[in-house]
Amino acid sequence: DGGITQSPKYLFRKEGQNVTLSCEQNLNHDAMYWYRQDPGQGLRLIYYSQIVNDFQKGDIAEGYSVSREKKESFPLTVTSAQKNPTAFYLCASSRQTGELFFGEGSRLTVL
Amino acid sequence: GQNIDQPTEMTATEGAIVQINCTYQTSGFNGLFWYQQHAGEAPTFLSYNVLDGLEEKGRFSSFLSRSKGYSYLLLKELQMKDSASYLCAVRETTTDSWGKLQFGAGTQVVVTP
Repeated sequence: DGGITQSPKYLFRKEGQNVTLSCEQNLNHDAMYWYRQDPGQGLRLIYYSQIVNDFQKGDIAEGYSVSREKKESFPLTVTSAQKNPTAFYLCASSRQTGELFFGEGSRLTVL
Repeated sequence: GQNIDQPTEMTATEGAIVQINCTYQTSGFNGLFWYQQHAGEAPTFLSYNVLDGLEEKGRFSSFLSRSKGYSYLLLKELQMKDSASYLCAVRETTTDSWGKLQFGAGTQVVVTP
């Protein structure tokens, strides 16, 4: 079945460490997104990519980095510059209707 | 930017009807989405409105009034499995990406027996 796979599901990070969250899709969608979810807040856009080898900053890109070397893959790195990284991270892809297809999410906790 | 408001929580009885309101302010509107999210899981798409009026899909219906900056999601014949957070999201006309949405904080619906 087609879908979006995120890994790991749970991740713990120490202060000062970079961590990378994986996102793979087999829906053949061009556009991919990373959203962050915090309790009591709406999803906020971190980065998005419309096409391979191109990506744009979203509303809260500081402290994050991405790459888009393949259509299927859009990994997110949470760097040590991100001051408050504990959150639920959601990767998504979309077709032109704008309907987002989400992965199951990665929950990052800073120790 | 956009300001999207929806109630924090609503409680209803199994078999009843619940209406979740969403108001938004935007410089340019290009569609409103509703998603359902169960605790600890990813959101799933429920409905999309871009023109005024009611869209019905089984037990769920969504309404849009662009002039009022208002939408609602109507859940009929509530079931226990409908207990979830319901997210309202808006897309602007100026966006460069179809899936670039602004989300409300979500409405937690609690269905009681």
